[in-house]
Amino acid sequence: EADIYQTPRYLVIGTGKKITLECSQTMGHDKMYWYQQDPGMELHLIHYSYGVNSTEKGDLSSESTVSRIRTEHFPLTLESARPSHTSQYLCASSDYTGEPGNTIYFGEGSWLTVV
Amino acid sequence: SQQGEEDPQALSIQEGENATMNCSYKTSINNLQWYRQNSGRGLVHLILIRSNEREKHSGRLRVTLDTSKKSSSLLITASRAADTASYFCATAIFTGGGNKLTFGTGTQLKVEL
Repeated sequence: EADIYQTPRYLVIGTGKKITLECSQTMGHDKMYWYQQDPGMELHLIHYSYGVNSTEKGDLSSESTVSRIRTEHFPLTLESARPSHTSQYLCASSDYTGEPGNTIYFGEGSWLTVV
Repeated sequence: SQQGEEDPQALSIQEGENATMNCSYKTSINNLQWYRQNSGRGLVHLILIRSNEREKHSGRLRVTLDTSKKSSSLLITASRAADTASYFCATAIFTGGGNKLTFGTGTQLKVEL
């Protein structure tokens, strides 16, 4: 079992609200990621971080923002939620060993529904 | 275009049968990984095969990689109802900061009693 935790697991929120999805890992991993996945579809990378104070946009454009103030914590924020943001958001982390073979550990996911 | 595409999209078999899923990709990779996702849950890493490897085993899982055809297959032998899940391949390309993983579209496997 991976030590990476996401809260909340499920969130239903009204349009225009600000939300933050929390992600924490206790493995000391430098690299963290946020993926977005619609039901039955593939995962899309929306944000990643290589370490503290490092954040980058992923392959899929997202209106969300992230921050990395501490190694173990990588929250994702939506300033003004819209129904189009309804999706599952998966947080992940990996340890950069310098070899292109490291695997990624995922959290359980946060299901966001914007009504 | 999708780096990793899997087929079949869905597969239904009887318990005890073998399940084979295929993954094709477009560009050169450093490694290919298979993940499993139970409904509504996060992904769990199953197995990684490096670009210089052709076959790898882990328990009831067997993965093959053919870099000339840019394809991989995941075989689950003697399937069980608990194997019911979605299976994703992910191709890894090394960038300056480490691996960049791109996930395929997934195969939904249902194993019936």
